Amino acid sequence: AQRVTQPEKLLSVFKGAPVELKCNYSYSGSPELFWYVQYSRQRLQLLLRHISRESIKGFTADLNKGETSFHLKKPFAQEEDSAMYYCALRGVTGGGNKLTFGTGTQLKVEL
Amino acid sequence: GAGVSQTPSNKVTEKGKYVELRCDPISGHTALYWYRQSLGQGPEFLIYFQGTGAADDSGLPNDRFFAVRPEGSVSTLKIQRTERGDSAVYLCASSLGTGSTEAFFGQGTRLTVV
Repeated sequence: AQRVTQPEKLLSVFKGAPVELKCNYSYSGSPELFWYVQYSRQRLQLLLRHISRESIKGFTADLNKGETSFHLKKPFAQEEDSAMYYCALRGVTGGGNKLTFGTGTQLKVEL
Repeated sequence: GAGVSQTPSNKVTEKGKYVELRCDPISGHTALYWYRQSLGQGPEFLIYFQGTGAADDSGLPNDRFFAVRPEGSVSTLKIQRTERGDSAVYLCASSLGTGSTEAFFGQGTRLTVV
């Protein structure tokens, strides 16, 4: 079975402060990990995936297989980062193509 | 089209009624997914189509739920004898194919069963 845990429902930070959104997963095979973002009144969209190893809008995430984590980080939060963030896993071996999502973390960046 | 389109955007129905939710994927996308998102939860997988066939329907909660994609493009999610617990946002996503391809989501259909 595959499972994704996001322990924080809400994370509130001040503009310019560092951000870390936590994500832990459970999967016996080789997973692909993603972060999806949903801005207010917009559709869910892909932010980044671990295989790309890229920085999007200043966000990065590193897959740590030892700790089974894929935390999302940004050194300096901006007001426009306020949104709902979902961590998701796709099982490469035996998991098919479905995505398993966490419950999401609401990021609020305050001025 | 510009993206994945779902209709209607909102649907209110009475308990026990039948509803159909429609999804128009991005043109050329062979893979199509349905998810359900209840309040305070992340999207939960329902069913995945590759072309016309359902490759994985393990997420359908019971036999009241059924989905089709007869021509490999538009898909319809059908819910019989709706219950109040079926109230949720139903999301559709499509991707170019299987493997590591990005899934693009629609805006969702908010279903309310009263």
